[in-house]
Amino acid sequence: DGGITQSPKYLFRKEGQNVTLSCEQNLNHDAMYWYRQDPGQGLRLIYYSQIVNDFQKGDIAEGYSVSREKKESFPLTVTSAQKNPTAFYLCATSPIRDRVVNTEAFFGQGTRLTVV
Amino acid sequence: AQSVTQLDSQVPVFEEAPVELRCNYSSSVSVYLFWYVQYPNQGLQLLLKYLSGSTLVKGINGFEAEFNKSQTSFHLRKPSVHISDTAEYFCAVTRTGAQKLVFGQGTRLTINP
Repeated sequence: DGGITQSPKYLFRKEGQNVTLSCEQNLNHDAMYWYRQDPGQGLRLIYYSQIVNDFQKGDIAEGYSVSREKKESFPLTVTSAQKNPTAFYLCATSPIRDRVVNTEAFFGQGTRLTVV
Repeated sequence: AQSVTQLDSQVPVFEEAPVELRCNYSSSVSVYLFWYVQYPNQGLQLLLKYLSGSTLVKGINGFEAEFNKSQTSFHLRKPSVHISDTAEYFCAVTRTGAQKLVFGQGTRLTINP
């Protein structure tokens, strides 16, 4: 089955702990993205990557870190420095053709993170 | 810089009534526009997109949108809604050479029987 797999679907974290959200894709897309969704604020970009071993900060990168060691995987770590981590996190991918990022993004099913 | 404004945060309508969800964008260059739908606790699914050509774009589930360059709008319409259309809808914009989509704040569509 082709697609994007985010795991886990629900995640609980104690304050002060780091936690890693998984995103795996078998669409063979080069670009991968992490978005954060809060009620009434739409989607805000955290980090994105267009190639293995390279990534760029989005609009709200503080308190988050990522890695891109494989084309298929783009894990997001929510660190203890993120002051308000409770949110719904969405991973997305997009193909790149002729060195141009394709305009359409494909989304995973999301991970809901709750700090307890 | 690009930005997207969805003018209504919530839109309640009765079943089988028509609906329009409004989206305005700002950009100084040619843009690509998208509408996505999100059902509760799920990811986003593409409804339709405008890249070029005809300004009236038809999508899935009976939705359509019209690109209006002079008014910088890309409103989403459906002539007759169903209970199953209850969801949140996001408008998004990007441009040639951009590395990311910019999303609006979302519009929650509620269908009442």
